[in-house]
Amino acid sequence: ETGVTQTPRHLVMGMTNKKSLKCEQHLGHNAMYWYKQSAKKPLELMFVYNFKEQTENNSVPSRFSPECPNSSHLFLHLHTLQPEDSALYLCASSQEKGGRYTFGSGTRLTVV
Amino acid sequence: QKEVEQNSGPLSVPEGAIASLNCTYSDRGSQSFFWYRQYSGKSPELIMSIYSNGDKEDGRFTAQLNKASQYVSLLIRDSQPSDSATYLCAASNSGYSTLTFGKGTMLLVSP
Repeated sequence: ETGVTQTPRHLVMGMTNKKSLKCEQHLGHNAMYWYKQSAKKPLELMFVYNFKEQTENNSVPSRFSPECPNSSHLFLHLHTLQPEDSALYLCASSQEKGGRYTFGSGTRLTVV
Repeated sequence: QKEVEQNSGPLSVPEGAIASLNCTYSDRGSQSFFWYRQYSGKSPELIMSIYSNGDKEDGRFTAQLNKASQYVSLLIRDSQPSDSATYLCAASNSGYSTLTFGKGTMLLVSP
């Protein structure tokens, strides 16, 4: 596989559920990101990892918990979400932080 | 607060025309600028990057940067219906900062 792979593509979850989003990059990049994309809003940065270390947490609620076990994998653990958390969640990677991003295909999350 | 501003559109142009997409940014320290294309229901894909004042051409696409005016634009020549998408402008400053994205401009190219 090449590029940035995200799973699942679609996810419907209740407010009491716990689920995880997975991202894997096969590009040898050192930085990985989680973004949230809602309608009518710019892409919102959530978390940044550089060489597996979290370097930014953009005031994200604790119901979102990131994990980066190595420089190729990134997870976003979800629990007790709210309906307003429904959005497209995008993973991206870049060779160095702030460089040219490659995005994954995204996970369309619906919280019911 | 770093901001990147774009007109949300839609910008409608006929097939074969030149589409002009504009973007302004608030952070004078911004050094790197990117244009991403996002088709409906898909993820953004990088189409152009520009780092120096002036024009940069790649096929039908030309990116223009004016740092004094804090202005970036993307010109698409000979627009095709397949160019219909939302175009996102992004900027970052030096020191390995993350990208700040605009809301995007929707482009509609009619046959």
